[in-house]
Amino acid sequence: EAQVTQNPRYLITVTGKKLTVTCSQNMNHEYMSWYRQDPGLGLRQIYYSMNVEVTDKGDVPEGYKVSRKEKRNFPLILESPSPNQTSLYFCASRTANNEQFFGPGTRLTVL
Amino acid sequence: KQEVTQIPAALSVPEGENLVLNCSFTDSAIYNLQWFRQDPGKGLTSLLLIQSSQREQTSGRLNASLDKSSGRSTLYIAASQPGDSATYLCAAHAITQGGSEKLVFGKGTKLTVNP
Repeated sequence: EAQVTQNPRYLITVTGKKLTVTCSQNMNHEYMSWYRQDPGLGLRQIYYSMNVEVTDKGDVPEGYKVSRKEKRNFPLILESPSPNQTSLYFCASRTANNEQFFGPGTRLTVL
Repeated sequence: KQEVTQIPAALSVPEGENLVLNCSFTDSAIYNLQWFRQDPGKGLTSLLLIQSSQREQTSGRLNASLDKSSGRSTLYIAASQPGDSATYLCAAHAITQGGSEKLVFGKGTKLTVNP
């Protein structure tokens, strides 16, 4: 089944403890991206990647890192999480005709 | 800067009604427009994608239209059912000033279909 998967789905952590949210897609898509969704603010793009080893900042990149060492994976790294990074995170990949497919989401709480 | 607006923010209708959700965008320079459905606490499910050269797309009871010149898209849902209850998001695939591209989302319309 064609899909975007994320892990973990739920995570509660403490300020400053490094964490990684994994994202994987099995559709051979070149373009992948990360979003966060917050009440009243909607979905905002954090980072995107046009292809392997090519990443760029979205609208809200501060406090996040990404890497794209292989086409299928696009992990999101929070080196020192803070409470304002408590949010619902979505990974997405895109087809050649620009249709986006989203993962199931990761609900992160930073205490 | 591309902005996407969805009105109304919430809509409640009785089962069986036909309804229209509205989406407007400020910059007509878009690659395409995509409609999504999001159930509470869940991910986004792609419903329809309209390329900039198209005027509408249909899938089952759903029909989406696109009018680039007026900066508007609509999602028409026929014969609504309680299972259609969800938040509907539209997103414009925009071309930025720097020549890159990104998906700009509206804040969504929360639809409730009452049995």
